[in-house]
Amino acid sequence: EDKVVQSPLSLVVHEGDTVTLNCSYEVTNFRSLLWYKQEKKAPTFLFMLTSSGIEKKSGRLSSILDKKELFSILNITATQTGDSAVYLCAVEGGYGGATNKLIFGTGTLLAVQP
Amino acid sequence: DTGVSQDPRHKITKRGQNVTFRCDPISEHNRLYWYRQTLGQGPEFLTYFQNEAQLEKSRLLSDRFSAERPKGSFSTLEIQRTEQGDSAMYLCASSLSWGPLHFGNGTRLTVT
Repeated sequence: EDKVVQSPLSLVVHEGDTVTLNCSYEVTNFRSLLWYKQEKKAPTFLFMLTSSGIEKKSGRLSSILDKKELFSILNITATQTGDSAVYLCAVEGGYGGATNKLIFGTGTLLAVQP
Repeated sequence: DTGVSQDPRHKITKRGQNVTFRCDPISEHNRLYWYRQTLGQGPEFLTYFQNEAQLEKSRLLSDRFSAERPKGSFSTLEIQRTEQGDSAMYLCASSLSWGPLHFGNGTRLTVT
């Protein structure tokens, strides 16, 4: 059965710290891995990764995918209190063509203290 | 705002009642998805449409659940004879054929 496992489940850091969030997956016919940030409401899109070893970067956030070892990491440098959220990892795969149907992990709850 | 819009934001209903939620996707997106999220869990796929065609339904979607997308624009999700286990956040998302899903703010359902 396809699954996505995120670690740690929760994390408390202080402003200015660097954090690394982990996502491992098992999925048939992998196509892409996505990271989302969820505060109180809608998950907001961060990154979409399809190729191994190519880092995607947006400001203080970056992510990379390892398709051989079946995992991805999300790095946040110089954390700020506004980074406090649940970070969700999701993968798309399966047969029947590209459906964009995502399988999500349970998320990592990040709390950044001032 | 041209994002995904969902209505209502919150719904409280008594067990056994029917409820209907609406989702308006980003206008140029041909794909529309419904997900359900409970506390402490990631979203779980329920169903998706490409234009007006419903192409896949999850095993989670019992026969009390029905979704429509007439004319390939907005979508509705109806739950008949609600049960307490249906209490959750119902998220709608839309996308192009290739690209990330963009989520709405969800409808939080509470069944008492």
